[in-house]
Amino acid sequence: DQQVKQNSPSLSVQEGRISILNCDYTNSMFDYFLWYKKYPAEGPTFLISISSIKDKNEDGRFTVFLNKSAKHLSLHIVPSQPGDSAVYFCAASERSNDYKLSFGAGTTVTVRA
Amino acid sequence: NAGVTQTPKFQVLKTGQSMTLQCAQDMNHEYMSWYRQDPGMGLRLIHYSVGAGITDQGEVPNGYNVSRSTTEDFPLRLLSAAPSQTSVYFCASSYEGADTEAFFGQGTRLTVV
Repeated sequence: DQQVKQNSPSLSVQEGRISILNCDYTNSMFDYFLWYKKYPAEGPTFLISISSIKDKNEDGRFTVFLNKSAKHLSLHIVPSQPGDSAVYFCAASERSNDYKLSFGAGTTVTVRA
Repeated sequence: NAGVTQTPKFQVLKTGQSMTLQCAQDMNHEYMSWYRQDPGMGLRLIHYSVGAGITDQGEVPNGYNVSRSTTEDFPLRLLSAAPSQTSVYFCASSYEGADTEAFFGQGTRLTVV
């Protein structure tokens, strides 16, 4: 039973426009949320994170928003660049459960020139 | 600057064979974990370790064993390979818990025939 869900398997966006990736979770005990980016034949790399005590975290072109009441988070990439084409995984962890990470199924982003 | 090193990168096994996937990190991280990635499933936690001598089960531990005799190494053993274990396996490490950035290896693509 997946506790973290990314309901959009793919997203296509034009270069320079905004990419919005969505993630929903069911476990209200999650207290830390992360986004990872993965290129083919490579391991995931950390992108950005947010603690449950915040509702927004920004790092350059990447912003993560957290809506705890809706159990929803989103990743905004502005502006999108061709190098952003990758699979993006949403993940969540619970401090009281050894910080074990639960991952979503991933969203494949394609940035069109 | 090796980070997390996984070997081998590719492996084909026959049903019933056993093997060990190697994982080593040189960042003195306490927390290490193994994931498998399957299409449409994201990454699922197999086993994890919060320090040398301590291991615990993740979401999908059946058919796998781990040990953590040193901080650096966290091998994953397949006891009797089955076609259902065909997957891409990732090892990861982080400083304390999974609320801190996890560093992933490049993955091992395992096929069981």
